[in-house]
Amino acid sequence: DTEVTQTPKHLVMGMTNKKSLKCEQHMGHRAMYWYKQKAKKPPELMFVYSYEKLSINESVPSRFSPECPNSSLLNLHLHALQPEDSALYLCASSHGHPQAFFGQGTRLTVV
Amino acid sequence: AQTVTQSQPEMSVQEAETVTLSCTYDTSESNYYLFWYKQPPSRQMILVIRQEAYKQQNATENRFSVNFQKAAKSFSLKISDSQLGDTAMYFCAFIETGANNLFFGTGTRLTVIP
Repeated sequence: DTEVTQTPKHLVMGMTNKKSLKCEQHMGHRAMYWYKQKAKKPPELMFVYSYEKLSINESVPSRFSPECPNSSLLNLHLHALQPEDSALYLCASSHGHPQAFFGQGTRLTVV
Repeated sequence: AQTVTQSQPEMSVQEAETVTLSCTYDTSESNYYLFWYKQPPSRQMILVIRQEAYKQQNATENRFSVNFQKAAKSFSLKISDSQLGDTAMYFCAFIETGANNLFFGTGTRLTVIP
């Protein structure tokens, strides 16, 4: 299994909603990442978890809250988002080598 | 700070022809990796090819090859025998050895014309 699975694929939420994005991998990778990608732009790193501990937080607003319940699962909890947070959210994983495997992303629209 | 520059926002190529995408980067590190990722409309970032900085030999993967010039900090991607399925956004990316942060260039949108 060489897949990183993200759910949902699409999400529309209001500014007062609370929602979560989910990412799962069963490759035994111990580093997992959240990236945000705006249209026609490169992905920007948000968070890195290494061995289930948060190791990098790239000054992301607190309305984004990551969680790594176990080595296979990574969540991104969303609360009180703004329309400018609408983007493609990509999850990736890696272990023992620098190559990152990416999921298909969640297309988030905040209305 | 590491930066990755792709100077060609858009390119097109006829089917079966060859195209080269450019990438330059800036780093003070000597140990690092370089990648080309492809992002088709399906959105998933797919690794096309990778190059270890300590290797002098250019990486190749079937129709894809790179021209890695370490002194010039240049890392171009050559796609031979272009196919319609190669139409995508291509990102050049850099990571220091042992680091977790992958730096991406701004991307080149490649269109293969039938």
